[in-house]
Amino acid sequence: NAGVTQTPKFQVLKTGQSMTLQCAQDMNHNSMYWYRQDPGMGLRLIYYSASEGTTDKGEVPNGYNVSRLNKREFSLRLESAAPSQTSVYFCASSELAAPGTGELFFGEGSRLTVL
Amino acid sequence: AQSVTQPDIHITVSEGASLELRCNYSYGATPYLFWYVQSPGQGLQLLLKYFSGDTLVQGIKGFEAEFKRSQSSFNLRKPSVHWSDAAEYFCAPSGTYKYIFGTGTRLKVLA
Repeated sequence: NAGVTQTPKFQVLKTGQSMTLQCAQDMNHNSMYWYRQDPGMGLRLIYYSASEGTTDKGEVPNGYNVSRLNKREFSLRLESAAPSQTSVYFCASSELAAPGTGELFFGEGSRLTVL
Repeated sequence: AQSVTQPDIHITVSEGASLELRCNYSYGATPYLFWYVQSPGQGLQLLLKYFSGDTLVQGIKGFEAEFKRSQSSFNLRKPSVHWSDAAEYFCAPSGTYKYIFGTGTRLKVLA
């Protein structure tokens, strides 16, 4: 029972470098999400995908891009990393197509440090 | 604007004591309401949810929450806390659009 799998779990980047966080779910869920978690700020939505082929901005999309590659996979790309993007990133998925109406299943997180 | 407030950043209770974590929200209409728990180094796990009906909902690990429409609140309770309940707890109302997470309450349990 893998659920939601994120890679890598840890990454250190230099300012200006790019990288992609990968996320895959094996629960046949329709919607997928990327959040970032910072101390004292809870989880903030970066992007979400209500269904395969669609993506929408969340609360803090600047500096990020996403791709819903297929129903299983939803990747998050940092084109030019900045120290302000140092955070823990969580991918989540939900069965229901309408965002906000079903339980979220979370991956274990990816800890990113930008120097 | 839609928002959620968890006024207690940290709470410390003794093992066996009762617990109440507060959550207040501001939404145009009654949202769906969720509580999630996060153990150190882990992702979030659903504790319980409220969509409609009975305003007292039961969740996993002996937790319950009560929806009070007049107070726009969805407080989480547990009658007797166990040491394994030490974690961070997030309230998350959602509408038809997306989830909004509170800033979390970190629970410490004293032996």
